[in-house]
Amino acid sequence: DGGITQSPKYLFRKEGQNVTLSCEQNLNHDAMYWYRQDPGQGLRLIYYSQIVNDFQKGDIAEGYSVSREKKESFPLTVTSAQKNPTAFYLCASSPPNGGELFFGEGSRLTVL
Amino acid sequence: AQSVAQPEDQVNVAEGNPLTVKCTYSVSGNPYLFWYVQYPNRGLQFLLKYITGDNLVKGSYGFEAEFNKSQTSFHLKKPSALVSDSALYFCAVRVTDSWGKLQFGAGTQVVVTP
Repeated sequence: DGGITQSPKYLFRKEGQNVTLSCEQNLNHDAMYWYRQDPGQGLRLIYYSQIVNDFQKGDIAEGYSVSREKKESFPLTVTSAQKNPTAFYLCASSPPNGGELFFGEGSRLTVL
Repeated sequence: AQSVAQPEDQVNVAEGNPLTVKCTYSVSGNPYLFWYVQYPNRGLQFLLKYITGDNLVKGSYGFEAEFNKSQTSFHLKKPSALVSDSALYFCAVRVTDSWGKLQFGAGTQVVVTP
C-alpha cells in the first residue's frame, strides 16, 4: 500500500549527539515536509521541499538540517544545536496540486 | 500572514449527542481549509477539506464542516458522536505563498463519554 514510513518510532538521545529521523514515501509526491509537535502548540513547520535537491526553511529550522537527494526520501537531522529537541516529529507529503498533506506515523525523540 | 485559531482546548460531549469543534481563520485571498484527526502517538489523518464550491463539506467517518466566509469560520461537526471519536482535532489553512504548506491550529481535544 502507498504511504509514508517514518523510523524509528521511538528514539532516545544523549545531549550533544546528532540524530537522524528517516522519512520515506511511495506516493510519488513531489513535496515533503517536516513538522514538530509539542503539547498545546499544534504543529510547527521545520523544513519543506518541493522538488529533489531543493528545500526551504520553515518557521523553526534552527538546529535542524535536511537533505532531498531522492524523491522518495526526506531525512531530518536533529543536531546538538537544537536546544530543546524532545518532541514528536511528523513527516508529510503532498501531491502537485497542493491538496491535503499525507502524514507518517511520527517519531518520538527524547533527549536524556 | 495566514493563521488559524481553535478557541477551545477541549470539548466534552456525551455519546449520541452532536459534536462541534470550532475553527476560525485569517488568510489573504481565498482560503483552503482542512481538518485532521490524531489519535495518541499516531500521525494525522485527513478528514475533509474546503477548496471551493458548496459551503457544507462532507468528509470521512460521518464528519462534515461548514465554511462561513462572513464569519471566517470552518467548524467541524458530527450529528451523533461516538466514544471512538475521542481524539485530538486540528484545523489547518493553506499558506498562499507556497502551495501545499499548511498552517495548523493548536488543536482541540475531544472527549466523548459513554
